[in-house]
Amino acid sequence: DAGITQSPRHKVTETGTPVTLRCHQTENHRYMYWYRQDPGHGLRLIHYSYGVKDTDKGEVSDGYSVSRSKTEDFLLTLESATSSQTSVYFCAISGFSGPSYEQYFGPGTRLTVT
Amino acid sequence: KQEVTQIPAALSVPEGENLVLNCSFTDSAIYNLQWFRQDPGKGLTSLLLIQSSQREQTSGRLNASLDKSSGRSTLYIAASQPGDSATYLCAVRRNTGGFKTIFGAGTRLFVKA
Repeated sequence: DAGITQSPRHKVTETGTPVTLRCHQTENHRYMYWYRQDPGHGLRLIHYSYGVKDTDKGEVSDGYSVSRSKTEDFLLTLESATSSQTSVYFCAISGFSGPSYEQYFGPGTRLTVT
Repeated sequence: KQEVTQIPAALSVPEGENLVLNCSFTDSAIYNLQWFRQDPGKGLTSLLLIQSSQREQTSGRLNASLDKSSGRSTLYIAASQPGDSATYLCAVRRNTGGFKTIFGAGTRLFVKA
């Protein structure tokens, strides 16, 4: 298994509070991604990073920000959580080696906003 | 805009049957296509990745094919087992615009013992 961890694994928070999710990798892969998975919508890309301090928006980026100050860590922040951000959040990584850009996923974080 | 569709949405088969899962995409300008498996409450496990220049990939009882011109990929599972029960997702990576990946909604497979 690819060395990807996510923390916390479960979180319950109140509307309006800030929340930060962390993704940590030990594979030294260049690309890191944040997705959310919701019934009826499948997996949707929130933000991704193609290097330290290099990030770009995905298809559902409103209300989210990201930061990557080190190769191994990619943080997702909900500045002011809303109930519509209740979801399961997955981090993924990929790098150019062998089967290029194959994505590997972390175990997920279940976030509930009350 | 790339759209990825998976048919059927759900499938129930008896153990031992060979089966095919379908994935179609609207934009043939892809970099690669990846098949994943997801067990309930778990993350995604990569099964097979097909580069845009390839036609198929095989791993054990799994075979994935790619026809870019028609915008289709299939995942063939031979001699299905109850342990194959899971949701199978296909994902298409673009070859432009930041190499973003678009996922299908998945096919939920149940293999009956």
